[in-house]
Amino acid sequence: EIVLTQSPATLSVSPGERATLSCRASQSVSDYLAWYQQKPGQAPRLLIYDASKRAAGIPGRFSGSGSGTDFTLTISSLEPEDFAVYYCQQRSNWPPSITFGQGTRLEIK
Amino acid sequence: QVHLVQSGAEVKKPGASVKVSCKASGYTFTNSYVHWVRQAPGQGLEWMGIINPTSGITKNAPRFQDRVTLTRDTSTNTVYLELSSLRSEDTAVYYCARCPIYSTTFFDWGQGSLVTVFS
Repeated sequence: EIVLTQSPATLSVSPGERATLSCRASQSVSDYLAWYQQKPGQAPRLLIYDASKRAAGIPGRFSGSGSGTDFTLTISSLEPEDFAVYYCQQRSNWPPSITFGQGTRLEIK
Repeated sequence: QVHLVQSGAEVKKPGASVKVSCKASGYTFTNSYVHWVRQAPGQGLEWMGIINPTSGITKNAPRFQDRVTLTRDTSTNTVYLELSSLRSEDTAVYYCARCPIYSTTFFDWGQGSLVTVFS
């Protein structure tokens, strides 16, 4: 099973600053990687898919990059509503499985 | 607009079964797969399985192979998750999520259904 490791576990950043979140896969996932945002009491929301494509309605300050085993989610200028938990997710063909990273909590500094 | 509306909270005793529903609207039911993902209190996301609404074919994550049954009703555009032999560790919010047939990205999510296993 492919393991996704997110870092850091918690990231403290001030509004208006840039946030960089990392997701590393235990083996190559090509570009089959997505990022989700989850706020307390809510379902996750898709931000980025196929490593770098923004989902519909997602602001331009969110961007994704990477391929293979190393991926990054960047939020260029943090807004108050961006403070949440972020998860990466991959799918592998064989054995067929879907896994998530353990999450990065983005908190206000 | 896509909507996935799930059934309400459940409280079950250890050893019992629970069945959670997910009613889809706003898209062609047979053009997307539906997955189930759960989240224990304060924990991360865990994929449980997938159902093809057209064929009814399912695939479970290995750790749920024997306890999870996924079904669908195409007349009501509803998919169901049944989890058997419940234990306290199954206390979690259960989400359904929609993926286009060509993808394994969860584009839309249900609101979640809390299942509490309590003796």
